[in-house]
Amino acid sequence: AQSVTQPDIHITVSEGASLELRCNYSYGATPYLFWYVQSPGQGLQLLLKYFSGDTLVQGIKGFEAEFKRSQSSFNLRKPSVHWSDAAEYFCAVGAGDSNYQLIWGAGTKLIIKP
Amino acid sequence: KAGVTQTPRYLIKTRGQQVTLSCSPISGHRSVSWYQQTPGQGLQFLFEYFSETQRNKGNFPGRFSGRQFSNSRSEMNVSTLELGDSALYLCASRASVNTEAFFGQGTRLTVV
Repeated sequence: AQSVTQPDIHITVSEGASLELRCNYSYGATPYLFWYVQSPGQGLQLLLKYFSGDTLVQGIKGFEAEFKRSQSSFNLRKPSVHWSDAAEYFCAVGAGDSNYQLIWGAGTKLIIKP
Repeated sequence: KAGVTQTPRYLIKTRGQQVTLSCSPISGHRSVSWYQQTPGQGLQFLFEYFSETQRNKGNFPGRFSGRQFSNSRSEMNVSTLELGDSALYLCASRASVNTEAFFGQGTRLTVV
């Protein structure tokens, strides 16, 4: 069965420091991968997606992610975080016929230290 | 282009009642999906509609149902509410198959 693992429940980084959020997936075929961000009480905003092609994908707000098939990983990175990046981040894989369903990780809460 | 709109944003209902949530997708999007988000279970897929047909359904009891109208707007209904149905219900729309999903702000349902 498909699954997504985000091993870090919380991550604390200082403002201006670099960030890497980990995501591992289990999926038989070539996955469609996504990162979403959620601020408290809000919906989910798409940061970036990987469907095929270049394994390093750029997203909004200065985020990027790298798809590594050999490691079944799709880690999210940002070179320098801002206080406004504090939120919860979800990794997801598209599953099923035409990827109708998103299988979600448990999320990683990002805390920014001033 | 307007985003996905969900109404209402907040609801408080009593156990045993029923509730209907509404979702208007992005203009031109024909696929609408619903997800339930709770602290304990995380994000879980409820169902997906495409061109007024339910194509896929998650592992939820029959009390959870939905429909999609000809203008792609979708409604989700939960009957005989239980305390455990308290959650953030998120709607997402997609332009077509194998494309990314865009989410609304969600409806926060509290069952008391």
